[in-house]
Amino acid sequence: EAGVTQFPSHSVIEKGQTVTLRCDPISGHDNLYWYRRVMGKEIKFLLHFVKESKQDESGMPNNRFLAERTGGTYSTLKVQPAELEDSGVYFCASSQGPIQYFGAGTRLSVL
Amino acid sequence: GNSVTQMEGPVTLSEEAFLTINCTYTATGYPSLFWYVQYPGEGLQLLLKATKADDKGSNKGFEATYRKETTSFHLEKGSVQVSDSAVYFCALSGGSNYKLTFGKGTLLTVNP
Repeated sequence: EAGVTQFPSHSVIEKGQTVTLRCDPISGHDNLYWYRRVMGKEIKFLLHFVKESKQDESGMPNNRFLAERTGGTYSTLKVQPAELEDSGVYFCASSQGPIQYFGAGTRLSVL
Repeated sequence: GNSVTQMEGPVTLSEEAFLTINCTYTATGYPSLFWYVQYPGEGLQLLLKATKADDKGSNKGFEATYRKETTSFHLEKGSVQVSDSAVYFCALSGGSNYKLTFGKGTLLTVNP
């Protein structure tokens, strides 16, 4: 069975540009989470989907971040416009219960 | 709010040495506790978990015991291997949506 897949693995963009990260969860998992790790700091929760609905978006830093989950399958996280402080590793996880399964992450570098 | 404090690294050990990575937490209610591991170039993997006080989680020779009285969940292994080199994250979840609160991570390097 395929695990959680994230695209791209690494993205380098300039400040002010737009970037879209994608996450494909494990098939059949209703729960999908986004997390972010800024260098040297904790991995922090961004938001949680249950199927296509946003259950908790309390961790989203500001309105430059937009997450969607089309049809309850894959999810995208768009950053527009990107700022320097958005650099970090963005992780996606999915679950069908209390155990979350993580992707390898997308490393975002904003120059 | 919830928080996790874990031992800052990096930690460098020789093969077959004893490993302890300290983790303490602050949480309301009765959280579940986890250790996740990230090997180079890979995603986070669940290493072990404990869901209530005095539970001991174990996997691949690693162990951690949920200590409510000291709010701790220290990770231990009696004899580390080179293949254990990775970043280890302590985490907790509480509440109905299971969102995780992580520590900063500890980089472990094991030399032959």
